[in-house]
Amino acid sequence: DVKVTQSSRYLVKRTGEKVFLECVQDMDHENMFWYRQDPGLGLRLIYFSYDVKMKEKGDIPEGYSVSREKKERFSLILESASTNQTSMYLCASSLLYSPLHFGNGTRLTVT
Amino acid sequence: KQEVTQIPAALSVPEGENLVLNCSFTDSAIYNLQWFRQDPGKGLTSLLLIQSSQREQTSGRLNASLDKSSGRSTLYIAASQPGDSATYLCAVQETSGSRLTFGEGTQLTVNP
Repeated sequence: DVKVTQSSRYLVKRTGEKVFLECVQDMDHENMFWYRQDPGLGLRLIYFSYDVKMKEKGDIPEGYSVSREKKERFSLILESASTNQTSMYLCASSLLYSPLHFGNGTRLTVT
Repeated sequence: KQEVTQIPAALSVPEGENLVLNCSFTDSAIYNLQWFRQDPGKGLTSLLLIQSSQREQTSGRLNASLDKSSGRSTLYIAASQPGDSATYLCAVQETSGSRLTFGEGTQLTVNP
């Protein structure tokens, strides 16, 4: 079974802090994704990566950056956390044009 | 820009009922459509994937259909059970790349 592991289930950070959200998958998937999920707005794509060191902006990349130095790990970075980045963050991975496999999510609160 | 809509937003049914969840999308140039289930506070679990060349896919009590030309998909759940209570989301994958666009989901409650 594919396993996508997000490093934290809950995280509380202060405004202005630099925040790292880590995601690791164990199935050699080329594609990895970061989404955020908010009530009334659904899932919105922040960034995705289709290979090591490759990244593409999604629909809402502002205020975020990503890093993919190894195939199995995709990190989301909040350069200077703000309260409007309080959200559920979901990481996913897949082979090309195959079902997405999601982690359990990180609920981030920025105070 | 692709838009995905799911109706209804919420549905409550008694146990044992057969039910249909609807998903529509605006751009028919898709590669596949996926249905997911999400339990409260958890990530998404893939249920079914329908390639654009297919008309339907079945897994156990679940059957998903796809009408690409009209921009519609349905998820049919037979003999619903309380354990089916969850939010169901559909997503389309575009031919232009690997990104998915999600609907907002239908929150299903199956009452014992």
